[in-house]
Amino acid sequence: GIQVEQSPPDLILQEGANSTLRCNFSDSVNNLQWFHQNPWGQLINLFYIPSGTKQNGRLSATTVATERYSLLYISSSQTTDSGVYFCAVRRASGGSNYKLTFGKGTLLTVNP
Amino acid sequence: DGGITQSPKYLFRKEGQNVTLSCEQNLNHDAMYWYRQDPGQGLRLIYYSQIVNDFQKGDIAEGYSVSREKKESFPLTVTSAQKNPTAFYLCASIGTGGYGTQYFGPGTRLTVL
Repeated sequence: GIQVEQSPPDLILQEGANSTLRCNFSDSVNNLQWFHQNPWGQLINLFYIPSGTKQNGRLSATTVATERYSLLYISSSQTTDSGVYFCAVRRASGGSNYKLTFGKGTLLTVNP
Repeated sequence: DGGITQSPKYLFRKEGQNVTLSCEQNLNHDAMYWYRQDPGQGLRLIYYSQIVNDFQKGDIAEGYSVSREKKESFPLTVTSAQKNPTAFYLCASIGTGGYGTQYFGPGTRLTVL
């Protein structure tokens, strides 16, 4: 199956700092999503971004499908940004298979 | 409001008992999924269903069973054959064709005593 690697595994920031999270995948994809898991366990979708660039407030994401990676940018980080960030992909050659594969996540801690 | 509901939020089970976790969605999504998350770990796929009356095993299906009799519902049974059932269980759904955003329920924390 497809391999999804996220880096760094852990990241500690001071409030106000910027950060970049990376997601590498081993095959062509037709679905790529970034999620934030809050301390209560709820997963919130941040971006659906199989290719291109999107922005939503202080967050933006870029997927370079031909080079098989995606980046999530967090600017002016706040303590509420803390949590785990997951990347999930669906292999393009999977046909009608709807399976999504998750990376192990990046644990972000933003200190005041 | 549209979304995914899971119940119960917390569940305690004695060893050797089967238990069923509920997942309901009113998003009119075709596909539904069950994931397991252990502390400090990522999400692992247990089962998924792309259409009513059909489902496929994920990466860790042993000791679990599912049914999909209605589009809105995808219950997960954790059987006594599952060796380490204590975990956080998340249900999710996605729209037609498996494209677009995947939405998650709030999860059920299962503890085996």
